[in-house]
Amino acid sequence: QSALTQPASVSGSPGQSITISCTGTSSDIGDYNYVSWYQQHPGKAPKLMIYDVNNRPSGVSNRFSGSKSGNTASLTISGLQAEDEADYYCSAHTTTTTLVFGGGTKLTVL
Amino acid sequence: EVQLVESGGGLIQPGGSLRLSCAASGFTASTNYMTWVRQAPGKGLEWVSVIYSGGSTDYADSVKGRFTVSRDNAKNTLYLQMNSLRAEDTAVYYCARGEYSYGYYSFDSWGQGTLVTVSS
Repeated sequence: QSALTQPASVSGSPGQSITISCTGTSSDIGDYNYVSWYQQHPGKAPKLMIYDVNNRPSGVSNRFSGSKSGNTASLTISGLQAEDEADYYCSAHTTTTTLVFGGGTKLTVL
Repeated sequence: EVQLVESGGGLIQPGGSLRLSCAASGFTASTNYMTWVRQAPGKGLEWVSVIYSGGSTDYADSVKGRFTVSRDNAKNTLYLQMNSLRAEDTAVYYCARGEYSYGYYSFDSWGQGTLVTVSS
């Protein structure tokens, strides 16, 4: 069960938009619309930000959006704010196992 | 309010066993799907196991045959029995709730985690 591939880090200035990619294969992201994104602040539990590629749970800011093209999913954060600085993880259902996570991306707000 | 509280972590020697608990409140765990996810110190998230409302289960290859997930509906509590523990099982273990209105493979509520350290 190989992890999904995410960039180790991304950064942006307040007010800007950033995009985090999550690359899988035709056996996971490419085959199902079951991609989720989680935000994790240091020492805290993960928080669900996006489910089923592009859906936001209630209470999550509309500055967060998700998309998918082929085997790659993306999380876009617009109007970057200081509190967005955190680690972000994608996850996906696969043909061989229930779930696999990406390696995580550290977002730095400059 | 939905709440998940894990317990049972600690220091255990390689080859030993440990049972983690996850007490749920504010909802009925048996009507949702529940998962365990772990995070080794300084590392990313790793999915461990899931139990669905119907009782079926699944495991990551790394723990298959060693870990068993179960639940006690009367106590509204999820468990993870961990046997033949290895150093690489050292991690914070989170339980999380899967809410079917949020799809089948996403988890909307998480506990605070419990640390398991496997070391001699």
